[in-house]
Amino acid sequence: DTEVTQTPKHLVMGMTNKKSLKCEQHMGHRAMYWYKQKAKKPPELMFVYSYEKLSINESVPSRFSPECPNSSLLNLHLHALQPEDSALYLCASSQRFRDEQYFGPGTRLTVT
Amino acid sequence: QKEVEQNSGPLSVPEGAIASLNCTYSDRGSQSFFWYRQYSGKSPELIMFIYSNGDKEDGRFTAQLNKASQYVSLLIRDSQPSDSATYLCAVGGNTDKLIFGTGTRLQVFP
Repeated sequence: DTEVTQTPKHLVMGMTNKKSLKCEQHMGHRAMYWYKQKAKKPPELMFVYSYEKLSINESVPSRFSPECPNSSLLNLHLHALQPEDSALYLCASSQRFRDEQYFGPGTRLTVT
Repeated sequence: QKEVEQNSGPLSVPEGAIASLNCTYSDRGSQSFFWYRQYSGKSPELIMFIYSNGDKEDGRFTAQLNKASQYVSLLIRDSQPSDSATYLCAVGGNTDKLIFGTGTRLQVFP
């Protein structure tokens, strides 16, 4: 089973709201990733957690705050976003860091 | 020079034909190579990965890797209209992240 789940599927939020995206996998993977994808562009890496520790932060603005409560869960906390942050947010996981990554279905985020 | 290059397409092939998708990369230290299929509005789906020179087959898909020439390709045999999607090449190397190409759009017409 190579399933990564993400909630919610869609999210519309105002620029003053605080919301969270959630990602879960039960494959025993020890690396989890957040990506952002704009239309007709490839995914852009935002954060990587390896063994529940943040190992990569791709200079993402502080209005995005990741959290890894345990080896199966990954959250992305959102605060004071801008309209240009509207995108598809993808979570992925891999057995170990640098192994093949499996993506979740994504959260389509719209910031108004 | 882009780190991972793909022809944006669209690549149009008739149903039943072989679709050939190509990808070149610049980092000679690259060690892992992946092909993802992405339907419009959906997330990327891993369809093949390859780590060693040569061919790797899985059903109708064959990945080919040539490290000396720094290219990786994906062949889709007996193409079906349901194969119509954007195919993303991704390369893992000395940096700690996957480098994605911009994708090739494949159209399979009946």
